[in-house]
Amino acid sequence: DSGVTQTPKHLITATGQRVTLRCSPRSGDLSVYWYQQSLDQGLQFLIHYYNGEERAKGNILERFSAQQFPDLHSELNLSSLELGDSALYFCASRRSGFEGEAFFGQGTRLTVV
Amino acid sequence: AQSVTQLDSHVSVSEGTPVLLRCNYSSSYSPSLFWYVQHPNKGLQLLLKYTSAATLVKGINGFEAEFKKSETSFHLTKPSAHMSDAAEYFCVVTHGSSNTGKLIFGQGTTLQVKP
Repeated sequence: DSGVTQTPKHLITATGQRVTLRCSPRSGDLSVYWYQQSLDQGLQFLIHYYNGEERAKGNILERFSAQQFPDLHSELNLSSLELGDSALYFCASRRSGFEGEAFFGQGTRLTVV
Repeated sequence: AQSVTQLDSHVSVSEGTPVLLRCNYSSSYSPSLFWYVQHPNKGLQLLLKYTSAATLVKGINGFEAEFKKSETSFHLTKPSAHMSDAAEYFCVVTHGSSNTGKLIFGQGTTLQVKP
């Protein structure tokens, strides 16, 4: 158990809908990273938050947004969902903003039908 | 700029034989390097890390990696493969003096272990 909790584990939704994925980092970790993993694109970095502030953006679509709350949990919001958004979404947490290892959650499997 | 290249997308070994998964990195600064393993439909698990201490790093499940600055490599090895080692392996680089905190992932290597 990495100590990073992601909910829900599985999500099935229709095209055009909006979903929210939640991530609780390990106790004391200030950084949260979000990744998308699909068969055709591999592991893609989406966004990084550190202590409530956005630190870096990767290949995140405009239909996607995220935030990190004062209690350090994070949410990834995906809207106007398309079939191609079906993927495994991971979050990872890290003690600091720039060094040390990251610990990954078990992921949320999103299926858009 | 930092980058990571995993030289093999797929490696196949027989159970009981050695494993070698190759990783080369590029970094303008002193890097920290990690290997992660991902079993099917699971999250990524940290196998081992190099953070400028000993160049030979021991990890979980009998895996080791050696940091070679002159070759900019961080290859992952294991003396004897088990069936349970079949998984996807990712090499990752980051460095503490960057203010972006980026984790740079390689493309991954699929390890197949044959009985």
